[in-house]
Amino acid sequence: GEDVEQSLFLSVREGDSSVINCTYTDSSSTYLYWYKQEPGAGLQLLTYIFSNMDMKQDQRLTVLLNKKDKHLSLRIADTQTGDSAIYFCAESFRGTDKLIFGTGTRLQVFP
Amino acid sequence: AAGVIQSPRHLIKEKRETATLKCYPIPRHDTVYWYQQGPGQDPQFLISFYEKMQSDKGSIPDRFSAQQFSDYHSELNMSSLELGDSALYFCASSPRTAGNTIYFGEGSWLTVV
Repeated sequence: GEDVEQSLFLSVREGDSSVINCTYTDSSSTYLYWYKQEPGAGLQLLTYIFSNMDMKQDQRLTVLLNKKDKHLSLRIADTQTGDSAIYFCAESFRGTDKLIFGTGTRLQVFP
Repeated sequence: AAGVIQSPRHLIKEKRETATLKCYPIPRHDTVYWYQQGPGQDPQFLISFYEKMQSDKGSIPDRFSAQQFSDYHSELNMSSLELGDSALYFCASSPRTAGNTIYFGEGSWLTVV
């Protein structure tokens, strides 16, 4: 998406941590999301964060939000081969529930 | 747990034909969204419905229309299909009254030949 940017590729070794970054432009976004898409599959909601939070942790996933810099990150601890997929961040457009997706980051995990 | 159900999963149509995609939201979800994802692209918002009324509209072509029925399922109708309509079409649903957890279906692959 033109308003939400992500790096295209990330390659990590199994067991390491992965950090996927996202920058967005709409300061009125209420929620920010991370979705996972495996090849030929749908979009799996991983986690989301409300805009008045700066961190959310859910098992191996940690989301950090820097609202001042409009920067969102997803950290995956102990990355596994099953984590290989495309990860999309998304913002809720102007506080609505219309999502603007990032370009997606392809995460490749090697043994 | 029940998920968003889309049908058909795969569809092949010829140019200028018509296609209809169906979406069954998660039970008790009152909002339905349609997204289009072209090859190698990020999903693009098409249209959404809340309580059977259109709530928001995105980059949906005039050749496309959609509606939400009394049982909350939704249909996306696409007419005069063009080669560029070939894409993965996602339906998503959310319980508007419980925050904004938006869940997506597996998608319907449309190929126009």
